[in-house]
Amino acid sequence: EAQVTQNPRYLITVTGKKLTVTCSQNMNHEYMSWYRQDPGLGLRQIYYSMNVEVTDKGDVPEGYKVSRKEKRNFPLILESPSPNQTSLYFCASSLWVGGDGYTFGSGTRLTVV
Amino acid sequence: AQTVTQSQPEMSVQEAETVTLSCTYDTSENNYYLFWYKQPPSRQMILVIRQEAYKQQNATENRFSVNFQKAAKSFSLKISDSQLGDTAMYFCAFMKPPSGNTPLVFGKGTRLSVIA
Repeated sequence: EAQVTQNPRYLITVTGKKLTVTCSQNMNHEYMSWYRQDPGLGLRQIYYSMNVEVTDKGDVPEGYKVSRKEKRNFPLILESPSPNQTSLYFCASSLWVGGDGYTFGSGTRLTVV
Repeated sequence: AQTVTQSQPEMSVQEAETVTLSCTYDTSENNYYLFWYKQPPSRQMILVIRQEAYKQQNATENRFSVNFQKAAKSFSLKISDSQLGDTAMYFCAFMKPPSGNTPLVFGKGTRLSVIA
């Protein structure tokens, strides 16, 4: 089954404790992206990657890092999480040349206390 | 930069009735893609329908259809014969043609409740 797999689904952590949210897709998509969803703000892009070793900032990149060492994986790293990063996070992927929209992971609900 | 506006934060509809969700967008592009995504309580983002701007014909997927008005930059979603399972948050989204970063730009969403 074609899908984007995100883990974990829920995460509660403390301020300053480094964490990684994993994302993997099995569709051979070139393009991958991370979004955060906050009430009243919709979804906003954090980082994106157009291919292996090619990553760049989206609209709200502060406090986040990403890497793309393999085509299928695109982890989101929070080096020193803060409470304002409490949010719902989505990983998504797409064929770069298409207009089919994105395939989304099932989301990670992160709470930073 | 492109923007997407959903002017109805919340809506409700009786089961089996028809409801229309509004979406407007702002862009200087001539060719682009528009989408409606559904987010039920499970949080999964589900593609409902897509429209390519160069196509005049409005897209239809079963009970879901759009009214695409390119000149007015309007892209509304009509849900016919509403069902309880249609209760969800609905997001309108815009994407320019693939070239460099092509993020989906989302509206803030409309929460739809279908009432029995």
